[in-house]
Amino acid sequence: DTGVSQDPRHKITKRGQNVTFRCDPISEHNRLYWYRQTLGQGPEFLTYFQNEAQLEKSRLLSDRFSAERPKGSFSTLEIQRTEQGDSAMYLCASSFQVLSYNEQFFGPGTRLTVL
Amino acid sequence: TQLLEQSPQFLSIQEGENLTVYCNSSSVFSSLQWYRQEPGEGPVLLVTVVTGGEVKKLKRLTFQFGDARKDSSLHITAAQPGDTGLYLCAGAGEYGNKLVFGAGTILRVKS
Repeated sequence: DTGVSQDPRHKITKRGQNVTFRCDPISEHNRLYWYRQTLGQGPEFLTYFQNEAQLEKSRLLSDRFSAERPKGSFSTLEIQRTEQGDSAMYLCASSFQVLSYNEQFFGPGTRLTVL
Repeated sequence: TQLLEQSPQFLSIQEGENLTVYCNSSSVFSSLQWYRQEPGEGPVLLVTVVTGGEVKKLKRLTFQFGDARKDSSLHITAAQPGDTGLYLCAGAGEYGNKLVFGAGTILRVKS
């Protein structure tokens, strides 16, 4: 039984560099979500996909952020020209959207540190 | 904008004590989920409540959804050191898309 996986688990980068994170959802799940969590806060929604379509993006997702889910399976989140304020835990979650409610299962996260 | 307020922010208790964590909002949610998160890890789903007034039990944990589906509580009986962690409530809107999270309650159970 494989859950949601994320790679890498930790990333340290210098300000101005680009970084890319990968998320592999639970295999039968059609929805995939990205959240960001900073210290002392709950996760904040960034964007979500249903299959390969990106259906909603938060205002938190600036132009430097882009997410893709090209074949409706894994997803990538890229941050261009990183800033120190981008330092956070980036969480991916997946769900199977046939129920009237939405149980999301989270991966272990990618901890980004921008120096 | 939907907001969830959790209280208390921090709780430090002795093993064997009972505790309750609250999650409140002025908004109605179609469902509400409780998660537990360890440092450096992602949140782990504990329970989902859907119906107003619903009560669910998970061993020593009791979850309740308010009648109006605006608030929820988590009660832990006879807390153990293994219960230590960050407890997060999260609400889903009408279409059940994104989750709105509270800021969390840090629970520390001392032996």
